[in-house]
Amino acid sequence: QKEVEQNSGPLSVPEGAIASLNCTYSDRGSQSFFWYRQYSGKSPELIMSIYSNGDKEDGRFTAQLNKASQYVSLLIRDSQPSDSATYLCAPARQGGADGLTFGKGTHLIIQP
Amino acid sequence: NAGVTQTPKFQVLKTGQSMTLQCAQDMNHNSMYWYRQDPGMGLRLIYYSASEGTTDKGEVPNGYNVSRLNKREFSLRLESAAPSQTSVYFCASSEHLTNTGELFFGEGSRLTVL
Repeated sequence: QKEVEQNSGPLSVPEGAIASLNCTYSDRGSQSFFWYRQYSGKSPELIMSIYSNGDKEDGRFTAQLNKASQYVSLLIRDSQPSDSATYLCAPARQGGADGLTFGKGTHLIIQP
Repeated sequence: NAGVTQTPKFQVLKTGQSMTLQCAQDMNHNSMYWYRQDPGMGLRLIYYSASEGTTDKGEVPNGYNVSRLNKREFSLRLESAAPSQTSVYFCASSEHLTNTGELFFGEGSRLTVL
């Protein structure tokens, strides 16, 4: 059973601050890690992917991965009200097409 | 470019009724998926089709059947709806999923079973 754990929140962060979202996973065979964003009433969309230990930056977003600790995080710098959404973590094994197992998501609220 | 199209977007059923959710993608993707999303439970995979002609169970397949009609279309059928199947259903498609991680989702179908 693949398990993906996220703090459901809500996580409330002031505008302009750094939002830190965390995710742990149980499947040690996971090689790829993805972050999806889902606005209320909308479908999820992919915003970040990371495959190697360390940090990966894309604009205001930074994904961090530590495979030894089975931990992946997403940092959002200079948080904006438009970042208010639910963020879903999804690890995956290589080579399969059997779908992604998602965490339950963290509800992030950016306070103006 | 439509992407992934789901119909209907809203449906109300009575317990015991049957219905089929339709999904079509125009991106020539090999793999298609049906997820359900419930408050506090996140997205859970019901069934998937890795390629045309194949279907497999996901995490929560009980009470559902699927048909991969062709490469474009993947339908989800509820034979005898139950209140526990009240949920938002998302269809998704992908190509090279574990390399790109990108699932392309439809807009969702909100189903209420009374």
